[in-house]
Amino acid sequence: AQSVTQLGSHVSVSEGALVLLRCNYSSSVPPYLFWYVQYPNQGLQLLLKYTTGATLVKGINGFEAEFKKSETSFHLTKPSAHMSDAAEYFCAVSEGNRDDKIIFGKGTRLHILP
Amino acid sequence: GAVVSQHPSRVICKSGTSVKIECRSLDFQATTMFWYRQFPKQSLMLMATSNEGSKATYEQGVEKDKFLINHASLTLSTLTVTSAHPEDSSFYICSAPGSNEQFFGPGTRLTVL
Repeated sequence: AQSVTQLGSHVSVSEGALVLLRCNYSSSVPPYLFWYVQYPNQGLQLLLKYTTGATLVKGINGFEAEFKKSETSFHLTKPSAHMSDAAEYFCAVSEGNRDDKIIFGKGTRLHILP
Repeated sequence: GAVVSQHPSRVICKSGTSVKIECRSLDFQATTMFWYRQFPKQSLMLMATSNEGSKATYEQGVEKDKFLINHASLTLSTLTVTSAHPEDSSFYICSAPGSNEQFFGPGTRLTVL
């Protein structure tokens, strides 16, 4: 069975500082990995995804994530935080089949301090 | 990109009534759709996999007689919450697989009084 662990339900960073949101996964097969962002009372927006190939994945809004198989990790980073980045972030995993269900982590609320 | 819509976006109902939520893939066909539930300040929990032309597959702990799923066409899946109770109040989100990713609907906020 697949699972996702997000370390830290809340993360606070100062505006302009590095953002690091941690995600570790468990999967018995090569996984597809995702990061989604959710603003209050809204649906999910895909930030980035890893399927195959290059392990450093660049997404929207300046975010990127690196797939590290040896560490079973897929941490999300952004060099400089903006106030608009304040939101809930979800790491997710699927088994890579196009029609496969996605399993979400519990989420990390990112707070940006002025 | 591909779009998934949900209707209604918000619904308030009395306890004991049934509520139907629609999920549509607007510009692509989806033989499979997924239904998730999200409680306030919590993650998305997969409820069931909706399969066009066949029965839905429910996750462990989800009552199939309470959450009825019908996938009548390649672009429409419906979730009916039967005999709703206040504890069913939640944010319900559907998704459909596209060419290389899942596309999520905007969600439906259900409030049961």
